[in-house]
Amino acid sequence: DQQVKQNSPSLSVQEGRISILNCDYTNSMFDYFLWYKKYPAEGPTFLISISSIKDKNEDGRFTVFLNKSAKHLSLHIVPSQPGDSAVYFCAAGGAGGADGLTFGKGTHLIIQP
Amino acid sequence: EPEVTQTPSHQVTQMGQEVILHCVPISNHLYFYWYRQILGQKVEFLVSFYNNEISEKSEIFDDQFSVERPDGSNFTLKIRSTKLEDSAMYFCASAMVSSYSNYGYTFGSGTRLTVV
Repeated sequence: DQQVKQNSPSLSVQEGRISILNCDYTNSMFDYFLWYKKYPAEGPTFLISISSIKDKNEDGRFTVFLNKSAKHLSLHIVPSQPGDSAVYFCAAGGAGGADGLTFGKGTHLIIQP
Repeated sequence: EPEVTQTPSHQVTQMGQEVILHCVPISNHLYFYWYRQILGQKVEFLVSFYNNEISEKSEIFDDQFSVERPDGSNFTLKIRSTKLEDSAMYFCASAMVSSYSNYGYTFGSGTRLTVV
């Protein structure tokens, strides 16, 4: 039961270009959506989140877009930098954090010089 | 910057043995979590803990698992009788409030548990 799906296991983008990571979900009860970044041998690091009542949230080079009707969200990174190479996880949860997050399988982003 | 500390970084144990994974959450955080990631699979929620009791737990968190906050700083995950399929990376996380708000929560670096 993949409630949160990241269909691209990997993505290669040239440095300086835009990276677009996609995520689909099936549970319409999710209230928050989050993106985490993970380097090898480290825990996931929070990047950016969006509430279900919004359609866009921006933080520096990172922008998350939410399309509730399509149950789809995306993370845009622009411009992409070599340090952005990592695995990116999409996650979703209810309004109360005690319920825990549901994660996607992750997309490995590779930024090429 | 405050961080969540997990020890050990790697634990090898024999099938059937008990293991305890240790976590020191961020000091002023009130909500604590355990997640696991089996190699090549997604990160999965195990349990959340608040006010000295379990708030929510997933189907994975069966009777073999237990959590404790034995003192003001540690948060432990115990697996009573380990199975081969318990081999995974276990992540502890903590948060100040129960809402994801704008900052999610902070994960530790994980403990890699290998059951042989």
